[in-house]
Amino acid sequence: NAGVTQTPKFRVLKTGQSMTLLCAQDMNHEYMYWYRQDPGMGLRLIHYSVGEGTTAKGEVPDGYNVSRLKKQNFLLGLESAAPSQTSVYFCASSYALMPGYKLAYPYEQYFGPGTRLTVT
Amino acid sequence: KQEVTQIPAALSVPEGENLVLNCSFTDSAIYNLQWFRQDPGKGLTSLLLIQSSQREQTSGRLNASLDKSSGRSTLYIAASQPGDSATYLCAVTQRGDSWGKLQFGAGTQVVVTP
Repeated sequence: NAGVTQTPKFRVLKTGQSMTLLCAQDMNHEYMYWYRQDPGMGLRLIHYSVGEGTTAKGEVPDGYNVSRLKKQNFLLGLESAAPSQTSVYFCASSYALMPGYKLAYPYEQYFGPGTRLTVT
Repeated sequence: KQEVTQIPAALSVPEGENLVLNCSFTDSAIYNLQWFRQDPGKGLTSLLLIQSSQREQTSGRLNASLDKSSGRSTLYIAASQPGDSATYLCAVTQRGDSWGKLQFGAGTQVVVTP
């Protein structure tokens, strides 16, 4: 099991450029999350998904869009990058009960290695 | 709104000393609390998760306690080693939040000196 993987690991963008960050998990988790980490501010939730085809806004969603077309993948898009989006981005996933059981409350979250993004 | 605080922001101890890391939260209506470790330039590794109905959890040299009524959790690391040097983060999930969203503290950076 690779767990949670993220691509790319590093990226430098110019202001106004667009890009997509990819998160993939091989644990059959239902829930996936995108966080950003900035010095002195901890991690803050950008968007999350509670299943294939469903997404919702977190604490700091402005300037980002997401899609979850397949259960194992969660994409984070920046349509027009700004210097304020310079950050380290982390993806996480957590599981629910197996199909056939009542969907359980999300439990432990597993994190990817992060993507370091610089916008100049 | 839930606020999660970790004090101090940085801590340095000599090898062999016990580590005590603090986490406080303003709203006691939590579902669970998770402690993570983060090495420089790396992702987060989950260390311990405590459900709101539990008072403590243990794993090897790690012990985490939870006092919901006072809004506090403490992570104890016994007999610290240089390999324990990292940033330690705590995060809570609010009761009533069905999607398990985590609210993080800013972390405590720990250095264990040989």
